[in-house]
Amino acid sequence: AQTVTQSQPEMSVQEAETVTLSCTYDTSESDYYLFWYKQPPSRQMILVIRQEAYKQQNATENRFSVNFQKAAKSFSLKISDSQLGDAAMYFCAYRSRSTLTFGGGTRVLVKP
Amino acid sequence: GAVVSQHPSRVICKSGTSVKIECRSLDFQATTMFWYRQFPKQSLMLMATSNEGSKATYEQGVEKDKFLINHASLTLSTLTVTSAHPEDSSFYICSARVGNGNTEAFFGQGTRLTVV
Repeated sequence: AQTVTQSQPEMSVQEAETVTLSCTYDTSESDYYLFWYKQPPSRQMILVIRQEAYKQQNATENRFSVNFQKAAKSFSLKISDSQLGDAAMYFCAYRSRSTLTFGGGTRVLVKP
Repeated sequence: GAVVSQHPSRVICKSGTSVKIECRSLDFQATTMFWYRQFPKQSLMLMATSNEGSKATYEQGVEKDKFLINHASLTLSTLTVTSAHPEDSSFYICSARVGNGNTEAFFGQGTRLTVV
C-alpha cells in the first residue's frame, strides 16, 4: 500500500516570504500522479498543483511550484510571495489507478 | 474544473436514526466516487470507493452495514450512516472522477454530521 508522509505539522511564514512544505511517499508503481491540495477553514478541498510521475519537469502554477524528486520519492511544495489567503491546511496526495492517498497535512500560518 | 455538489452541508440527527448524504457530479459523469471521513485537525481517511452499478469497496475497518453506499448513476452516489451514534460525528467528504487511471478527482463541499 502507498503511504504519504508530511513531516511538518505546522509551518509559519511572513507575508511576501517563501515557505516550502515537504512530502515523501512510498510506492512500487512507476505510473502515478502527485497532488497538493489546500483546505481552508471552509474545508473545501482545492487543488493547488499536480505532477505526473512520468514528467521530469517540475510543475508550476503562479506562486506555487513543486520540487519533484522521483528517485527520492519526494514532492515538496514551494509557496512564493506568501499571501494571507494562503493560510490553510495543505495536503500532499498520491494517486494510483484505484485510490487517492493523503498525507497527514501541514498547517500554514501567514504572519502579516 | 468540474463541480461536485454534496448535500447537506450540515446535519444534526438523534442517536439511533439514519442519515443520508448525497454527492452529485454536476457537469460530468463520475465513473468512480470516493467517500472520506475527516476528524478534527486530521487528514482525510478513505472509507470506500464506489463504481457506478457495482458494489462499493470498503477500506479495512469500515463497516459496510454501518455506512451504506449506493452509486446508482454516473452522477449520484449516496452515503447512508445507519443507526448513527455520537462517535459517528465527523466531517464526511465525497470525491468524484471521470474514467479510470490517474485522472483528477473533484471534491464536494463536505458534510458535517453531528449525532446527539
